[in-house]
Amino acid sequence: DAGVTQSPTHLIKTRGQQVTLRCSPKSGHDTVSWYQQALGQGPQFIFQYYEEEERQRGNFPDRFSGHQFPNYSSELNVNALLLGDSALYLCASSPMAGRNTIYFGEGSWLTVV
Amino acid sequence: GQQVMQIPQYQHVQEGEDFTTYCNSSTTLSNIQWYKQRPGGHPVFLIQLVKSGEVKKQKRLTFQFGEAKKNSSLHITATQTTDVGTYFCAGPAGGSYIPTFGRGTSLIVHP
Repeated sequence: DAGVTQSPTHLIKTRGQQVTLRCSPKSGHDTVSWYQQALGQGPQFIFQYYEEEERQRGNFPDRFSGHQFPNYSSELNVNALLLGDSALYLCASSPMAGRNTIYFGEGSWLTVV
Repeated sequence: GQQVMQIPQYQHVQEGEDFTTYCNSSTTLSNIQWYKQRPGGHPVFLIQLVKSGEVKKQKRLTFQFGEAKKNSSLHITATQTTDVGTYFCAGPAGGSYIPTFGRGTSLIVHP
């Protein structure tokens, strides 16, 4: 039973560039959430996708956008990258029936230079 | 907005000593979740408490949810080097089901 998988694991981008991160949820899960975790901080909620729609959004600018596909996988896109976007980006999945329990992937480490 | 605070931020202990981390929310929580993140790793779900005053145990770990459902604690008895990591509490407030995470408590165990 595969857990939550994310790609790429590490990447380096330049200020102003755009990045796309990918996530496949745990088998049987249909809800995907994205979190940003800066060094020394707890995960901060970006947004959640269910049934291919954004259901809730945290306090992040419009530069952060996402998508969910019919197979429940998801993408996180960040435009016009800033140095402050450097962080670990975590994807988490949950089954709607037990939506309060979430399972994290190993994350994508993004460095913006 | 909702704030979740954890203390202490760091805790150094000798192997075999006990450890406790405390979590306080500015608003009433519908539940509280605890996660452990090893250095360089990702958060791993440990447990969820739902009822006021609930206490749950996992081997050497004891989790408590406060009567007012605004605070929680995690106690580890006789720490081991495998307990090293950052422990996060997280809980959704109000009508939301999205958990807000605290900043975590980093546990360092000296052999």
